[in-house]
Amino acid sequence: AQSVTQLDSHVSVSEGTPVLLRCNYSSSYSPSLFWYVQHPNKGLQLLLKYTSAATLVKGINGFEAEFKKSETSFHLTKPSAHMSDAAEYFCVVSDREGSTLGRLYFGRGTQLTVWP
Amino acid sequence: SQTIHQWPATLVQPVGSPLSLECTVEGTSNPNLYWYRQAAGRGLQLLFYSVGIGQISSEVPQNLSASRPQDRQFILSSKKLLLSDSGFYLCAWSGQRGRVGYTFGSGTRLTVV
Repeated sequence: AQSVTQLDSHVSVSEGTPVLLRCNYSSSYSPSLFWYVQHPNKGLQLLLKYTSAATLVKGINGFEAEFKKSETSFHLTKPSAHMSDAAEYFCVVSDREGSTLGRLYFGRGTQLTVWP
Repeated sequence: SQTIHQWPATLVQPVGSPLSLECTVEGTSNPNLYWYRQAAGRGLQLLFYSVGIGQISSEVPQNLSASRPQDRQFILSSKKLLLSDSGFYLCAWSGQRGRVGYTFGSGTRLTVV
């Protein structure tokens, strides 16, 4: 079975400091992993995805994530936070390999606050 | 390019009234379509998914239903709304190989009063 655990429900950082949003996953198969961002009352936007290519994945807006199979982790990082990064972030794991449906399983989300 | 449209953006409805939320996708054919609900302080819950016209699968028993009358149209409905139906509803689509990710609509904020 697939599942995702986001270890922090809230993260607060100062503008210009690094961001770390933690995610651990469980999957019976080689997973595809995603990070989505959601600004208030908006839809979800794909930040980046891992689909069994390079383990270090670069996404939009300076974010990146590293797939670590031994740790079953896919933490999201950014070297320097910007005020516009304040949003909710979701870590997501996909359905099993070969599935036509391609269901996604969402973590509960991490609310990122950026202080000036 | 592919786009997804969801409307209305906000909706306030009385308890017991009907509901119809619509989602359409452009620029692709035979997409997988999804309805999610996001309740306050909670994650996303998959409500319905569809892999083709007229094919609807429900994830959880509830007061809602879904229909797919056309390839790129997905409708979320209720005959009588409950207070507990309030939330943020998101439509999404993916290709047949959904592992490459979803594209979400902009969402509908539903408040049942």
